[in-house]
Amino acid sequence: DVKVTQSSRYLVKRTGEKVFLECVQDMDHENMFWYRQDPGLGLRLIYFSYDVKMKEKGDIPEGYSVSREKKERFSLILESASTNQTSMYLCASSPQGLLNTEAFFGQGTRLTVV
Amino acid sequence: AQRVTQPEKLLSVFKGAPVELKCNYSYSGSPELFWYVQYSRQRLQLLLRHISRESIKGFTADLNKGETSFHLKKPFAQEEDSAMYYCALENAGGTSYGKLTFGQGTILTVHP
Repeated sequence: DVKVTQSSRYLVKRTGEKVFLECVQDMDHENMFWYRQDPGLGLRLIYFSYDVKMKEKGDIPEGYSVSREKKERFSLILESASTNQTSMYLCASSPQGLLNTEAFFGQGTRLTVV
Repeated sequence: AQRVTQPEKLLSVFKGAPVELKCNYSYSGSPELFWYVQYSRQRLQLLLRHISRESIKGFTADLNKGETSFHLKKPFAQEEDSAMYYCALENAGGTSYGKLTFGQGTILTVHP
């Protein structure tokens, strides 16, 4: 059973804290993604990575950074958490080089910034 | 820029009724389109993709390039179809690296 695992289901952090969201996949996928899921806005891409140490900005990268030191792990970093970053965060992975491939999602991390 | 629009935030039907979830897209190239579904307390998962022309759980979706639509249909809804549905588009030109553009989502509720 293929798996994308996010380290936390729920997180509560204070404004200004540095926050790390971790994601691990066991499918040897090249592509990994971080999306933010908000009611009425759908999923919006924050950052993605197509190889180790490679990263590219998505549609809403402001206030976030990422790290991919190993192929299986993709971390999302909130440098200084703010209340408008309260949201559900979804990690996903997919194989590279093919169109129409399925993206596999983690279970999500619900982050609340107080 | 590519864009996916799902005009209905909420859709309610009764069991056995037909259901259609609307999806419109704007994209200058040749799109690859998907429907993803999220059942309660489960992770987001692929329902179907247009290239496969398949029927999954009784759902079908036809790509209409003239109307730039990819509506999801099922002739007889079941209670277990209640979920959040997202339409998504992948850039088929150049190197997309699997990036998906999602619509706003439609919550489908099927009443007994």
